[in-house]
Amino acid sequence: DAGVTQSPTHLIKTRGQHVTLRCSPISGHKSVSWYQQVLGQGPQFIFQYYEKEERGRGNFPDRFSARQFPNYSSELNVNALLLGDSALYLCASSLLEVHNEQFFGPGTRLTVL
Amino acid sequence: SQKIEQNSEALNIQEGKTATLTCNYTNYSPAYLQWYRQDPGRGPVFLLLIRENEKEKRKERLKVTFDTTLKQSLFHITASQPADSATYLCAHRGSQGNLIFGKGTKLSVKP
Repeated sequence: DAGVTQSPTHLIKTRGQHVTLRCSPISGHKSVSWYQQVLGQGPQFIFQYYEKEERGRGNFPDRFSARQFPNYSSELNVNALLLGDSALYLCASSLLEVHNEQFFGPGTRLTVL
Repeated sequence: SQKIEQNSEALNIQEGKTATLTCNYTNYSPAYLQWYRQDPGRGPVFLLLIRENEKEKRKERLKVTFDTTLKQSLFHITASQPADSATYLCAHRGSQGNLIFGKGTKLSVKP
């Protein structure tokens, strides 16, 4: 079975641009969460979606938004990119809304110049 | 606010020795703690979960302890190997069902 997949693998953008990151959860998993990881830090929670509804939101500005589709895949959108948005963006899926183990994808490395 | 800390940024040990990593928490009492392994440029991989009523949990060469008095979890890798070199993250579940991670400890096992 395929694990969590994310696309693209790498992305380079300039300040002020917009970016869309994509995630496909493990088959059968209904919960998708997004995390941002800057170098030298642990992942920080951005959003959680379960059954296409937002169930949690971290301390990130409104420039960050996300959605979950009927097939449980998800998109993370970031508008008006700042240099500080450069990070590894991780998607994690789990079977239930609150589940002990989360399965992470390989991440999307975003560089903002 | 709930804080989870991994005070050691890096740990260097010799192959065959036991690596011990520390995770401390303050201002709350987590029902459980999780440990993940992360290789460079990859997503974290779940290793072990220990509940507050479990003193110790083992999986192959891995052992985790949970001391609610000291507010601390210890993560041990026995008979360490160079392939164990990675960053190890401690995490607990936040109020929104999300994971709250420590900064991680980068373990280097030298042959």
